[in-house]
Amino acid sequence: DTAVSQTPKYLVTQMGNDKSIKCEQNLGHDTMYWYKQDSKKFLKIMFSYNNKELIINETVPNRFSPKSPDKAHLNLHINSLELGDSAVYFCASSQDLVAGLYEQYFGPGTRLTVT
Amino acid sequence: SQQGEEDPQALSIQEGENATMNCSYKTSINNLQWYRQNSGRGLVHLILIRSNEREKHSGRLRVTLDTSKKSSSLLITASRAADTASYFCATDAVTSGSRLTFGEGTQLTVNP
Repeated sequence: DTAVSQTPKYLVTQMGNDKSIKCEQNLGHDTMYWYKQDSKKFLKIMFSYNNKELIINETVPNRFSPKSPDKAHLNLHINSLELGDSAVYFCASSQDLVAGLYEQYFGPGTRLTVT
Repeated sequence: SQQGEEDPQALSIQEGENATMNCSYKTSINNLQWYRQNSGRGLVHLILIRSNEREKHSGRLRVTLDTSKKSSSLLITASRAADTASYFCATDAVTSGSRLTFGEGTQLTVNP
């Protein structure tokens, strides 16, 4: 059984388009995250949600909008895609809000390429 | 600035040898975690060490934490080709507001 799943795995699109990435976890966790990993493998948090409530909103352009319809799902919508948005986006979940206290479970990633 | 920085950036060893990776950080932490990332995959949690712990073991993994030097090390003993991956430390800083900050990672290659 997949613990944290993301769709799609690959996403190739043109500048200016709008796209969404979906994430689901079946671990019963309360907290979910979106991370962005750049070409140098640097991983940076974008958002975190706890029980559908936005907790962390890093300095991310307004073009990125997360949505959590329930605590098992966290989607990421990106408007007006730019070349610099090309990266691998990871969804993750953890048991509770205190990030360092619990391990995080990562999805397989979505490789976004903007041309 | 980044909270965690790994050293070395890349490490190549032969199967059976030990691999040591280091992580330094800048501010006081609650906990530190190590993760592994195989090529093209998500990160997998390896071990968590709390700020009041000095050493922790899990199978072939040994993690140390020196809060006075703001550093941690991950030792993998008797390495295998399957250990080839990137290894990241992640810190939960006291002032982080419930977020993990990841370092840049060490790329470990274990040659058969």
